[in-house]
Amino acid sequence: GIQVEQSPPDLILQEGANSTLRCNFSDSVNNLQWFHQNPWGQLINLFYIPSGTKQNGRLSATTVATERYSLLYISSSQTTDSGVYFCAVDETKTSYDKVIFGPGTSLSVIP
Amino acid sequence: NAGVTQTPKFRVLKTGQSMTLLCAQDMNHEYMYWYRQDPGMGLRLIHYSVGEGTTAKGEVPDGYNVSRLKKQNFLLGLESAAPSQTSVYFCASSYSRDTLGEQYFGPGTRLTVT
Repeated sequence: GIQVEQSPPDLILQEGANSTLRCNFSDSVNNLQWFHQNPWGQLINLFYIPSGTKQNGRLSATTVATERYSLLYISSSQTTDSGVYFCAVDETKTSYDKVIFGPGTSLSVIP
Repeated sequence: NAGVTQTPKFRVLKTGQSMTLLCAQDMNHEYMYWYRQDPGMGLRLIHYSVGEGTTAKGEVPDGYNVSRLKKQNFLLGLESAAPSQTSVYFCASSYSRDTLGEQYFGPGTRLTVT
């Protein structure tokens, strides 16, 4: 099945710094999503981005489907950005829904 | 709108006991999903439903059953709990297959099986 990798696994940032999180996937995908899981466990959908670029405030994401990767940019980080960021992809070649999550990037933003 | 709610929030079971987790959504979404999240890992899809009265297996369905008798509710059942089912369970919903990315998640249910 499809493999999803994320890098870096852990990241510590000073408040105000910028960062780039990467998601690589091993095969073609139907959909790609970025999620944020806050320290209290709540999962928030950030972007639905099978291709192209989207921006939402300080966050933006780019997916290059032909090269099988997606990037999540966080600018001017804030302590509330702390948590785990997951990318998830939807396989194209299975006959059933198979959403595969990456292992996540754990982000800590310190004041 | 309450969004997606899950009941209960926490539960401790003994091996062999059964229980049902309830997921409810008030957004009129067609698709609903059950995931499990184990420490240090992303979510894995257990079962999902594409509409009232339908269910389908995801990546890790063994040991679980589901039912979608009403559009707004998606039940996850454990008939004979095992310690390997200790996990955090998340329910999610989305409007349609094509908007799979627009998933809304519940707060999670933390289940411990001793």
